Amino acid sequence: QVQPQQWGAGLLKPSETVSLTCTVYGGSVSGYYWNWVRQPPGKGLEWIGEMNPGRSTSYNPSLRSRVTFSVDTSNNQFSLNLRSVTAADTAVYYCTRDHCNDNKCYNYWGQGTLVTVSS
Amino acid sequence: DIQMTQSPSSLSASVGDRVTITCRASQGVRNDLNWYQQRPGKAPKRLIYAASSLQSGVPSRFSGSASGTEFTLTITSLQPEDFATYFCLQYNSYPYTFGQGTKLEIK
Repeated sequence: QVQPQQWGAGLLKPSETVSLTCTVYGGSVSGYYWNWVRQPPGKGLEWIGEMNPGRSTSYNPSLRSRVTFSVDTSNNQFSLNLRSVTAADTAVYYCTRDHCNDNKCYNYWGQGTLVTVSS
Repeated sequence: DIQMTQSPSSLSASVGDRVTITCRASQGVRNDLNWYQQRPGKAPKRLIYAASSLQSGVPSRFSGSASGTEFTLTITSLQPEDFATYFCLQYNSYPYTFGQGTKLEIK
């Protein structure tokens, strides 16, 4: 299966940490470009950051102070932690996986996780 | 940050029409530009990568082109399933940035 499957808590209080995880059942988390993207309800898409196959990360400066990506190869998982959330972080969060092979490139999105921040 | 200005923000068209959507980058991004389609309640789906390469499995009525900092998505002979929202994304430099989106509606 190539479609990432994602999960994580959907309802948080302000100041808590969002933790979301992606996996590809039957595949590998290694060797791909992984990204997180989010979309506030009724709005456009915002890029959160990327981890490349060498495990280097790049984050959106608007979130850099609060976001961390990690990989767990033993469990084949790619994760996002976003700290100190506020209502402005309410959004559907997507993980995406990219790779190229034989001069063709492929892009797969997780199903999305709605994260709501509310007191 | 590179700003991606997408136009129009909404568009009404009929089945069988030809439509174009444009993204203009605030600075050069080479051809590092993707196009996505998003249906309501669904994850985006990439249609075009590297400005003009058609994603595997995407119908050939979708095409992308580039001229300098202006990028165009063209859909020929609109089908009912094409009515959705479209986004561009530049991945030339961090932070990657999306266009604001174009909602394509049935006339």
